[in-house]
Amino acid sequence: EVQLVESGGGLVQPGGSLRLSCAASGFTFSRHAMHWVRQAPGRGLEYVSAISSSDGSTYYGDSVKGRFTISRDNFKNMLYLQMGSLRPDDTAVYYCAREALGTAVDYWGQGTLVTVSS
Amino acid sequence: DIQMTQSPSSLSASIGDRVTITCRASQDISNYLAWYQQKQGKAPKSLIFAASSLQSGVPSKFSGSGSGTDFTLTISSLQPEDFATYYCQQYSSHPLTFGGGTKIEIK
Repeated sequence: EVQLVESGGGLVQPGGSLRLSCAASGFTFSRHAMHWVRQAPGRGLEYVSAISSSDGSTYYGDSVKGRFTISRDNFKNMLYLQMGSLRPDDTAVYYCAREALGTAVDYWGQGTLVTVSS
Repeated sequence: DIQMTQSPSSLSASIGDRVTITCRASQDISNYLAWYQQKQGKAPKSLIFAASSLQSGVPSKFSGSGSGTDFTLTISSLQPEDFATYYCQQYSSHPLTFGGGTKIEIK
């Protein structure tokens, strides 16, 4: 059974940093591209970042480019999102998601809440 | 970036109704279009990929169509468990982008 479990969320002050983690199990992690998607309170889904399975290419949404860094550890089956220069509008539930081979996201984690506030 | 526009943003429907949601891309995305369902307080669930292919385990009352810039999601006979918000997403090019969502409410 595919499982994605996010952790690392919490309360952080504006300008601060936080690292989110996603533990993957039930599939061959190294074969799949992975994504982070977020949802601010009462708002829609917003693409944050993605990392390929093969060459480690990374991609970012415009609102987080230069502040967030996605990475993965294929030995530990872990996905990460290092978030810096956090702003109140980064407050959201952050979801880890698996990309099916060559197509769209097929599995989602339960999400972890990040609150940026003083 | 490719903009995705969903319509309507919300709709009221009754049990048993046939419902259609539209998603339009700002440029040609071929069939690189996915649909997701999200219930209140829950993580999204993947429904459709490649515009019309059902994810494993998704009931056949859901169907998708379209290519290029115009796409639709249809629910053939609305049931209580289908009341949720639905999002389209293009995965033709990065940054991947979502539509604003369509919330289906009970009439």
